[in-house]
Amino acid sequence: GAVVSQHPSWVICKSGTSVKIECRSLDFQATTMFWYRQFPKQSLMLMATSNEGSKATYEQGVEKDKFLINHASLTLSTLTVTSAHPEDSSFYICSARLAGGRETQYFGPGTRLLVL
Amino acid sequence: GQNIDQPTEMTATEGAIVQINCTYQTSGFNGLFWYQQHAGEAPTFLSYNVLDGLEEKGRFSSFLSRSKGYSYLLLKELQMKDSASYLCAASDSNYQLIWGAGTKLIIKP
Repeated sequence: GAVVSQHPSWVICKSGTSVKIECRSLDFQATTMFWYRQFPKQSLMLMATSNEGSKATYEQGVEKDKFLINHASLTLSTLTVTSAHPEDSSFYICSARLAGGRETQYFGPGTRLLVL
Repeated sequence: GQNIDQPTEMTATEGAIVQINCTYQTSGFNGLFWYQQHAGEAPTFLSYNVLDGLEEKGRFSSFLSRSKGYSYLLLKELQMKDSASYLCAASDSNYQLIWGAGTKLIIKP
């Protein structure tokens, strides 16, 4: 149980294009999903918290107009990197949590983004 | 402020035991998580402690002392596949996870 998928696992795009990453909880309903970014050999950095049916809460320093998050259902959240630039190249990981707050966050396998 | 401290790197020998420590300071506390992250992969859940004491799960055990703001992850009978980063994360009063930077564990034959 508690499987989270991400798609795509790899994406290479040209600078200026937009990229959408999907995060799905496959066998449970996730009221809250989280989006993280991780640069090589660095720790996880929380970008935003999204609750189903409401606007995402962004961490300080994360541009909400650049990283668009949609959490339209209890099993799907999407992150769109708009007008991507080479400095946006990173490992993007989502996690999903059951209702209740105390529940464990389960991570998707991550998406590697390379912006040329 | 909120803070998690854990060693940056540790080295241990195959078959041995290693203890990875974590200290935390959070606004409120709703539990302590340990995750394992292999290079190039996403983290996977190892353990969750919310009450004081030791939780054992196979070769891995996790300990919590809330009064000391301290936890450790104990790995026994180390195997080469245990080489990974181990992330400590504390849940604060808003159930937000405060993440440590991770401890890179190197296992030598």
